[in-house]
Amino acid sequence: AQSVTQPDIHITVSEGASLELRCNYSYGATPYLFWYVQSPGQGLQLLLKYFSGDTLVQGIKGFEAEFKRSQSSFNLRKPSVHWSDAAEYFCAVGAPGGSYIPTFGRGTSLIVHP
Amino acid sequence: DAGVIQSPRHEVTEMGQEVTLRCKPISGHNSLFWYRQTMMRGLELLIYFNNNVPIDDSGMPEDRFSAKMPNASFSTLKIQPSEPRDSAVYFCASSLPGGNTIYFGEGSWLTVV
Repeated sequence: AQSVTQPDIHITVSEGASLELRCNYSYGATPYLFWYVQSPGQGLQLLLKYFSGDTLVQGIKGFEAEFKRSQSSFNLRKPSVHWSDAAEYFCAVGAPGGSYIPTFGRGTSLIVHP
Repeated sequence: DAGVIQSPRHEVTEMGQEVTLRCKPISGHNSLFWYRQTMMRGLELLIYFNNNVPIDDSGMPEDRFSAKMPNASFSTLKIQPSEPRDSAVYFCASSLPGGNTIYFGEGSWLTVV
């Protein structure tokens, strides 16, 4: 079974600074990988996803993520954070060809200082 | 296009009362999922349906919880009787046939006092 770890419970950055949120997964082959964002009081919104091909994936709101097979990682990045990016971010991993239902990490809470 | 629609958005109820949460998936999606989110346990999959048929309900906490999907455009999650430890955000989500991306509703925020 697949699993996913988000090592950072909280991340604090200043507005305008760059951001990287870490995600590590465990799966025997190349998985499906997702990042979702949850703003306060809202549901989870899909930011981006990786299934195959180019390992650098572009998403909405200026986010990108890079799949690194050698490190079993799928870190989320943004070059310049805006105050509105403050939210909870979830990484998820799914198993192609089987039950694709993703397993979610525990989330990383992003705090943005002005 | 309308996303996944859940109701009620917020509910406060007394312990012992029956709670019914409702969900309308995205049109054309044939898989539907119920998740529960708490601070302690994070996001947990409770049950999912394919073509209105429950496939895996191993995440349903206990017999007090039940879910139905009488047709392709409607599902319910019922808790009877409710307990304070059921307080959580309940999300419904759906995906396309053979799809691999899940789309979430905005959640039902349940408080049992």
